[in-house]
Amino acid sequence: DSGVTQTPKHLITATGQRVTLRCSPRSGDLSVYWYQQSLDQGLQFLIQYYNGEERAKGNILERFSAQQFPDLHSELNLSSLELGDSALYFCASSSGGAGNTEAFFGQGTRLTVV
Amino acid sequence: AQSVTQLGSHVSVSEGALVLLRCNYSSSVPPYLFWYVQYPNQGLQLLLKYTTGATLVKGINGFEAEFKKSETSFHLTKPSAHMSDAAEYFCAVKVGSEKLVFGKGMKLTVNP
Repeated sequence: DSGVTQTPKHLITATGQRVTLRCSPRSGDLSVYWYQQSLDQGLQFLIQYYNGEERAKGNILERFSAQQFPDLHSELNLSSLELGDSALYFCASSSGGAGNTEAFFGQGTRLTVV
Repeated sequence: AQSVTQLGSHVSVSEGALVLLRCNYSSSVPPYLFWYVQYPNQGLQLLLKYTTGATLVKGINGFEAEFKKSETSFHLTKPSAHMSDAAEYFCAVKVGSEKLVFGKGMKLTVNP
């Protein structure tokens, strides 16, 4: 158990809909990362938050947004969903800004858009 | 920008054989390098990491990796494969406090 909790584990929704994925980081970790994993694109970095502030942005679509709350949990919002958004979405957390700290991954949320 | 390359997508070895998974990185500054493993239907688990210091890094489950700056490589090895090693392996690079950038992954099959 990595200590990172993601809910829900599975989500099935229709095209055009909006969903929210939730992540609780390990106790004490200030950084949260979101990744998308699909067969054709591999593991793609979406966005990173550090102590409530956006730290780095990757290949995140404009239809997607995220935030980190004062209690450090994070949410990833996906709207106007398309079939191609079906993927495994991972959250990871690390202790902070130092580059040598590893990220701990949650079990992921499997999103299926039908 | 930093990146990692894992050539190929699938490697197959016999139980008891050497496991060698290759990773080359690109970074303009000294990188931090990581290997993660993903078992089916699970999240990624850290195998080992290189930050500074000793270039031969030992990880969990008998895996190790050697950082070679001259070759910009960080290959993962295990002397003797076990059936339980069957999984997907990802090399990743991080520069400073920036994001972790992953390679495309390598699926390891272990044959009895």
